[in-house]
Amino acid sequence: QMTQSPSTLSASIGDRVTITCRASQSISNWLAWYQQKPGKAPQLLIYKASSLEGGVPSRFSGSGFGTEFTLTISSLQPDDFATYYCQQYDIHWFITFGGGTKVEIK
Amino acid sequence: HVLESGGGLVQPGGSLRLSCAASGFTFSSYAMNWVRQAPGKGLEWVSSVGGSGDITYYADSVKGRFTISRDNSKSTLYLQMHSLRAEDTAIYFCAKDRCPTASCYNLDSWGQGTLVTVSS
Repeated sequence: QMTQSPSTLSASIGDRVTITCRASQSISNWLAWYQQKPGKAPQLLIYKASSLEGGVPSRFSGSGFGTEFTLTISSLQPDDFATYYCQQYDIHWFITFGGGTKVEIK
Repeated sequence: HVLESGGGLVQPGGSLRLSCAASGFTFSSYAMNWVRQAPGKGLEWVSSVGGSGDITYYADSVKGRFTISRDNSKSTLYLQMHSLRAEDTAIYFCAKDRCPTASCYNLDSWGQGTLVTVSS
């Protein structure tokens, strides 16, 4: 129910990076973004589509409503190389995650 | 903080119970969740339970085989797994809902996970 793209992204330090999630039906703003590094648990970055979780750097931002959502990293830093997941809530499927986007060093 | 335990190697058709010990927050005020991740794969939500334990939800892939529960007096979450299959092999994470009282379906505190391997 969540289509995340791209699955892999190659970028350089300082690049602006954009990841997209599309829902199969409208989910209002019930959309969150997580970062996961190898061997670690996921970390919540953004909730309600655009609200920044406490302690998360301001270079991360989220936008969107309904069926299309975007996570943007304004200036990629070395610590940002990781896999990113979107996550939706809806009354039919409850919680579902996107397939993930691995951000690699170019 | 949350800390999972109970993972291990189990044969297909077997059973296992996972535990998640919570600390640092008022456990009974928050919905809790289990999320799993198969080796090299993405995240899959498994189950959720409300703060009082009376409301539960399951992914279709585990419905009828897994049972989520909680003991608020011990600040502990459980996942009882029966009829395990090879495709249940994964790291199982315990995760806390971000909002007290009423779930907001965002997970803001995760454990490091416990590995369940289903194999003969």
